[in-house]
Amino acid sequence: GQNIDQPTEMTATEGAIVQINCTYQTSGFNGLFWYQQHAGEAPTFLSYNVLDGLEEKGRFSSFLSRSKGYSYLLLKELQMKDSASYLCAVGDSNYQLIWGAGTKLIIKP
Amino acid sequence: ETGVTQTPRHLVMGMTNKKSLKCEQHLGHNAMYWYKQSAKKPLELMFVYSLEERVENNSVPSRFSPECPNSSHLFLHLHTLQPEDSALYLCASSQDSSGRTYNEQFFGPGTRLTVL
Repeated sequence: GQNIDQPTEMTATEGAIVQINCTYQTSGFNGLFWYQQHAGEAPTFLSYNVLDGLEEKGRFSSFLSRSKGYSYLLLKELQMKDSASYLCAVGDSNYQLIWGAGTKLIIKP
Repeated sequence: ETGVTQTPRHLVMGMTNKKSLKCEQHLGHNAMYWYKQSAKKPLELMFVYSLEERVENNSVPSRFSPECPNSSHLFLHLHTLQPEDSALYLCASSQDSSGRTYNEQFFGPGTRLTVL
C-alpha cells in the first residue's frame, strides 16, 4: 500500500529552528510537496522537490532523499505566525498526490 | 487569497437534505479537485476533473455527486448524507497536461460541513 508518515504534532520556541520529517512508500515517485495550512484556512504551497538535495527558500528549506523515501521541511527563525499544520504529499506513478495526515506545529514564545 | 473560492463556508444539514457545494477558480487552470479533510487524517481525494472530464473517482459513495460545467466551476451535490460525512471539503485547481496531477495545486478555503 501507499503510505506517508509524519509526526502528528511538534512544539518549538520562537526564534528557534525546527525540522519536520516525512517518510513515504509509494508506487513510483513524481515529486514531493510541502503545504502549510493555518487553522480554518486553505493549504498553501511551500515547496516542491523532485531531485535529491536541499531546496532553500528564505526561512524555509526542503530536503529530499529518494533512495531513503525521506524528506524534511526545515523552518528557521521561527515566528508565531508559523504555527500551522504542515502537509507532506507525494506524486505517485499515476500522478496522484498521496497526502500525509499533517504535522501540527505549535510555536511558543 | 489563492484564486479559488468556495461557498458556502459553513453548512449544517440533516441526513435527508439535499445541498450543493460550489467552487470557482480564477486562475485559468484546467484541472479541479474535491478533497475531504477529516481531523487528524490525510486529505482524501474524492474527484478530479481535467479539461472538464472526470478522470478520477476514488470509490466515493454515490451520495456525493460532482458536476463540472466548465473549467472554472465545480460543484459537489450532496444528498442523504451520514454524520460521518461531517468534515472540511476542499476544492483545488491546477494547470495540468495529460491528466497529470503532480503540479502545484491551489486550494480554496473549504466548506465546513456538519451532518446532523
